[in-house]
Amino acid sequence: DTEVTQTPKHLVMGMTNKKSLKCEQHMGHRAMYWYKQKAKKPPELMFVYSYEKLSINESVPSRFSPECPNSSLLNLHLHALQPEDSALYLCASSPRQGDLIEQYFGPGTRLTVT
Amino acid sequence: QKEVEQNSGPLSVPEGAIASLNCTYSDRVSQSFFWYRQYSGKSPELIMSIYSNGDKEDGRFTAQLNKASQYVSLLIRDSQPSDSATYLCAVTDGGSQGNLIFGKGTKLSVKP
Repeated sequence: DTEVTQTPKHLVMGMTNKKSLKCEQHMGHRAMYWYKQKAKKPPELMFVYSYEKLSINESVPSRFSPECPNSSLLNLHLHALQPEDSALYLCASSPRQGDLIEQYFGPGTRLTVT
Repeated sequence: QKEVEQNSGPLSVPEGAIASLNCTYSDRVSQSFFWYRQYSGKSPELIMSIYSNGDKEDGRFTAQLNKASQYVSLLIRDSQPSDSATYLCAVTDGGSQGNLIFGKGTKLSVKP
């Protein structure tokens, strides 16, 4: 089973709203990732958690705030977003962080900022 | 700047033919190579990983890796209309953290 789940599937929010995206996996993976994907572009890495600790922050604006409450769960808190933040937000997981390791993506949350 | 290059396509093949997708990468120390399939509006799905030079086969899919030429390819035999999608080549950046660098993807269209 290589299932990563994400909720919600779609989200529309105003620029003053606060919302959260949720990602869950029950494969025992110890690395979890947030990616952002704009239309007709490849995924761009935002954050990596390894063993529930933030390992990588790819210079993401502070209006995006990740959280890893436990080894199965990853959240992305959103606040004061801009219309250009509208995109498909993808969560991925892998057994651990590192080379020679496969990453599996969830279905994504399509975010529209109005 | 580490780069992964793919032809954007679209690559159009008739049903039953072999589709050949190509990818080159710039970082000689990259160790891991992946092909993801992405249907329109959906998330990337891992279909092949390859770590050593040579061929790796899985069903109708064959991945080929040539590290000396910094080249990785995906062959899809007996192509089906359901194979129509964008295929993303991803390569690790050579660091210990194994971050993926994605190509821009090749759009494949299989005509019935």
